[in-house]
Amino acid sequence: EAGVAQSPRYKIIEKRQSVAFWCNPISGHATLYWYQQILGQGPKLLIQFQNNGVVDDSQLPKDRFSAERLKGVDSTLKIQPAKLEDSAVYLCASSLDILLGYEQYFGPGTRLTVT
Amino acid sequence: EDKVVQSPLSLVVHEGDTVTLNCSYEVTNFRSLLWYKQEKKAPTFLFMLTSSGIEKKSGRLSSILDKKELFSILNITATQTGDSAVYLCAVESGAGTYKYIFGTGTRLKVLA
Repeated sequence: EAGVAQSPRYKIIEKRQSVAFWCNPISGHATLYWYQQILGQGPKLLIQFQNNGVVDDSQLPKDRFSAERLKGVDSTLKIQPAKLEDSAVYLCASSLDILLGYEQYFGPGTRLTVT
Repeated sequence: EDKVVQSPLSLVVHEGDTVTLNCSYEVTNFRSLLWYKQEKKAPTFLFMLTSSGIEKKSGRLSSILDKKELFSILNITATQTGDSAVYLCAVESGAGTYKYIFGTGTRLKVLA
């Protein structure tokens, strides 16, 4: 079974530029998550989708971050404009269905450096 | 506010030692607790715990949950250098919607 796919794996941009990350979850997984992991910290949930609907985006900085999962499968996370403090690893995860209590599996992450 | 606290923050042991990692939590409507191992990449799933007192075991790793005292421990026996990683604890909280709250992790280094 293929795992969660993410791209790109690494990205370096200057502050005020825009960047987009892509995630393809495990086939059939209804729940998709985007996390931000700053060095030395645990992952922080940014947004959670159930199929193509947002169920939690309370920690997403909506003035600069946006995410979508239009067809209920893959998802994109965008930052516009980027700030220095956005430097982090962005992790995508999926689970079969969080409503039924299945564990989540992570993709390899995208390491973003903002200079 | 929901929180998950792991201790110790870091730990250095020698091969063959046994280690115990701790995770305590305060969340609304607890549903499950998960342990992950994170090396220089994405976290990999170890255990999911939902019931108190039932030990989950996988090789040299084991974990148990105490829902009365609101904590879990992860034990690693006969440690090996390959166990060196950050171990993350995540608690699934369901207050309206279900989501995972992660601790900051315990960084384990096993010396040869």
